[in-house]
Amino acid sequence: DVKVTQSSRYLVKRTGEKVFLECVQDMDHENMFWYRQDPGLGLRLIYFSYDVKMKEKGDIPEGYSVSREKKERFSLILESASTNQTSMYLCASSYQGGNYGYTFGSGTRLTVV
Amino acid sequence: GENVEQHPSTLSVQEGDSAVIKCTYSDSASNYFPWYKQELGKGPQLIIDIRSNVGEKKDQRIAVTLNKTAKHFSLHITETQPEDSAVYFCAATLNFNKFYFGSGTKLNVKP
Repeated sequence: DVKVTQSSRYLVKRTGEKVFLECVQDMDHENMFWYRQDPGLGLRLIYFSYDVKMKEKGDIPEGYSVSREKKERFSLILESASTNQTSMYLCASSYQGGNYGYTFGSGTRLTVV
Repeated sequence: GENVEQHPSTLSVQEGDSAVIKCTYSDSASNYFPWYKQELGKGPQLIIDIRSNVGEKKDQRIAVTLNKTAKHFSLHITETQPEDSAVYFCAATLNFNKFYFGSGTKLNVKP
């Protein structure tokens, strides 16, 4: 069964901490994405990557960075966590120019206190 | 860029009734429209999709319709069951590399 795996389901971090959210996919997908999901706001794109070592800003990149050193792994980094970054974070992947939608991970619910 | 609007934000129906969720998109070049279902504590899962060269697609109790002229598409669920309760997202893309999502509809099916 193909999968997108997010390393943590729940995380609690302190304000100012550096936070790493990890995502791994086993489908050999070129594209990987990070979204945050907040009530009433739907899914908002933070960063995405079409290839190894390549990244592009989404709609809300402020306060975040990403790393993609290997094709299967895409990391989201909160440089200095703040309470307004408390949210559900979803990773997704897809084939480049493919004919299908995303495959999503199960999400990481991050609470910053 | 593309803008996708989704209505209603919440929908409550009685078990056995039908449910309809509507989305509009802004970019006439968009050509693929998936629908996702997100159950509590899980990531969104693709449940049905439609391409711009098709007006309607059906899979058992769920169907999607597309009106390219009006730039809107809809999800129809018939004979709803309690397990249909979830958040549903529509999306649109023109190149399959980046998707634009609606804000979601929370469907509650009352037994």
